[in-house]
Amino acid sequence: DIQMTQSPSSLSAFVGDRITVTCRASQNIEGRLNWFRQKPGKAPELLIYGASSLQTGVPSRFSGSGSGTDFTLTISSLQVEDFATYYCQQIYRIPFSFGPGTKVDIK
Amino acid sequence: QVQLQESGPGLVKPSGTLSLTCAVSSDSISSPNWWSWFRQPPGKRPEWIGEIYHSGTTNYNPSLDSRVTISVDKSKNQFSLKLSSVTAADTAVYYCARGPTSTGSVDSWGQGTLVTVSS
Repeated sequence: DIQMTQSPSSLSAFVGDRITVTCRASQNIEGRLNWFRQKPGKAPELLIYGASSLQTGVPSRFSGSGSGTDFTLTISSLQVEDFATYYCQQIYRIPFSFGPGTKVDIK
Repeated sequence: QVQLQESGPGLVKPSGTLSLTCAVSSDSISSPNWWSWFRQPPGKRPEWIGEIYHSGTTNYNPSLDSRVTISVDKSKNQFSLKLSSVTAADTAVYYCARGPTSTGSVDSWGQGTLVTVSS
């Protein structure tokens, strides 16, 4: 199975800050990576697919990059609604797997 | 805007079978997408359970393969999950979702339903 890791596991930031979350796969997954935001008690919401493609309707402050084993999610200017947990997911090989999550809270 | 809605019992007895249905609206279950089930135990990351294509082709997580069955009902535009021999470790919020699509996205999710395994 492909193992996914994320760093940091949590971070505190101010509204307006630029933040970056890193995701690493245990083997090459090419660009087969999704990023999700999950608010408490809600379903995951797709932000980025194919490592760098912005999902329709998602604000342009979100961006993704990377290929192979190392990926990043960047939020250019953190908004109140972005305080949540972020997960990466590989869809390169079954079983599709998620990273452990990065919790972003208000400083 | 596609919508998905899970339904089924919120409480299942140990050793019993968990059964959930996902009703799809504003998209056809026969569209060229996979349809997936996920679960998320409290405080943990989501876990992929399996997927089905409208042809009936399925793929399952090997960790659950012996206990999982996913089926599709095209006449009702819905798909279903059965998980047998459940234990407390199967307690989780269960989600259905559209995807992976042709781009690999998993772009629409149901609201989720909490299933508790307890006697």
